Amino acid sequence: AQSVTQPDIHITVSEGASLELRCNYSYGATPYLFWYVQSPGQGLQLLLKYFSGDTLVQGIKGFEAEFKRSQSSFNLRKPSVHWSDAAEYFCAVAPFGGNKLVFGAGTILRVKS
Amino acid sequence: DTGVSQNPRHKITKRGQNVTFRCDPISEHNRLYWYRQTLGQGPEFLTYFQNEAQLEKSRLLSDRFSAERPKGSFSTLEIQRTEQGDSAMYLCASSSWREPQHFGDGTRLSIL
Repeated sequence: AQSVTQPDIHITVSEGASLELRCNYSYGATPYLFWYVQSPGQGLQLLLKYFSGDTLVQGIKGFEAEFKRSQSSFNLRKPSVHWSDAAEYFCAVAPFGGNKLVFGAGTILRVKS
Repeated sequence: DTGVSQNPRHKITKRGQNVTFRCDPISEHNRLYWYRQTLGQGPEFLTYFQNEAQLEKSRLLSDRFSAERPKGSFSTLEIQRTEQGDSAMYLCASSSWREPQHFGDGTRLSIL
């Protein structure tokens, strides 16, 4: 069965520091890959997606992610974090065709000034 | 693009009551999804519609749950005889083929 692992439940970084959130998936073929962000009491906003092609994808708000097939990973990065980036981040996968998303448990990002 | 709209935003009800939630997808999207999210977890898939046809249902969707999308536009999710364990955020998303899912702000259900 498909599964998504986000090994870090909480991460705290200083404003202006770089960020990397980890995501590993378990699936036979390369699925579609996504990162979403959720603020408290809100729905999920899409940050970026990977379907095929270039393994480094750019998203909104200065985020990027790199797909590494050999490691079954899709880690999210940002070179300089802003206080407004504090939120919960979810990695998700969908099988080819993408009828449903399987989410990781999320990583809560705290930003300290 | 007005986004995915969900109503109500919050619902508080007594155990044993029935509740119904509504989702209005992005107008040009023919695919609609329902997810459930409990505290500290990622969303879990419940069911999926393509136009008015319900094509997939999760085992999480017990007999007390029913979803409809009668004209291929808005959708409703009904929970009958609510239980404490039904307390969660219910999220709706919509998409077109090969496009990512766009989520609404959810309906938070609290069972007293």
